[in-house]
Amino acid sequence: KAGVTQTPRYLIKTRGQQVTLSCSPISGHRSVSWYQQTPGQGLQFLFEYFSETQRNKGNFPGRFSGRQFSNSRSEMNVSTLELGDSALYLCASSQRSTQDNEQFFGPGTRLTVL
Amino acid sequence: GQQLNQSPQSMFIQEGEDVSMNCTSSSIFNTWLWYKQDPGEGPVLLIALYKAGELTSNGRLTAQFGITRKDSFLNISASIPSDVGIYFCAGRPPANNAGNMLTFGGGTRLMVKP
Repeated sequence: KAGVTQTPRYLIKTRGQQVTLSCSPISGHRSVSWYQQTPGQGLQFLFEYFSETQRNKGNFPGRFSGRQFSNSRSEMNVSTLELGDSALYLCASSQRSTQDNEQFFGPGTRLTVL
Repeated sequence: GQQLNQSPQSMFIQEGEDVSMNCTSSSIFNTWLWYKQDPGEGPVLLIALYKAGELTSNGRLTAQFGITRKDSFLNISASIPSDVGIYFCAGRPPANNAGNMLTFGGGTRLMVKP
C-alpha cells in the first residue's frame, strides 16, 4: 500500500507570492491534516479535512487555507508569503476523524521564502 | 493553547544503553502518540496509547499513558545506532470535535556518543 505522498518536495518562493502544496493520502483514508514544522515553533497543527469539509483549524492567519477533493486528495494554499512561512509542511492521513485511529505522515514539502 | 513539555531536549546514547524520555502537560489528553522523525522525512508512528494507565510495547520500545492523562513516557531498551533521530510525543485533546488535531512536544534529539 502506497504511503502519503506530497508534492512538490521542495519549493522556493519570494515574499508576496502565493503557493499551493498537494497531499495524496493513503488509499481509503478520508481524513487529511496539515502541520507546519519550524525549528522555533516545532510542529503545529494547521487544519484537518474530512469528507471535503474542514473539521478543525489551528491558530494560523487566514493566509493559510486548504481544501479537500472528492478523492480525498488535499491542497493547502498560502497567500502573500512572508519570510516566516519558511518551513516543512507535513500532511498526515487517517481513515477516520476520531480519536481512536492513527495518523500517517508524508515526507513533507520544504518551503523556502526569500 | 495547550503545550506539551518534552524532556530531555537532547541526549547522547551509547550503543546498548537504555533511553528514557517523557512528556508532560497542564491539560489532559485522550490519546498519546510517540513518533520518530529522521532527517528529510515525516514523523513515523512508533506507539499509540488510548487509555489512561495503558502500557504498550513495540519491540525494544515501551510507552505508558500516565494515569492522570497529563503525561507519558517512552523507553528504548538496548539502544542501537539506528535509534538516532528526533522523537516527538503528541496528544489529542478530549474535545468531542477534536478529530485528528494533535499537539506536539518539542522533541528529543537522540545522538550517538563520540
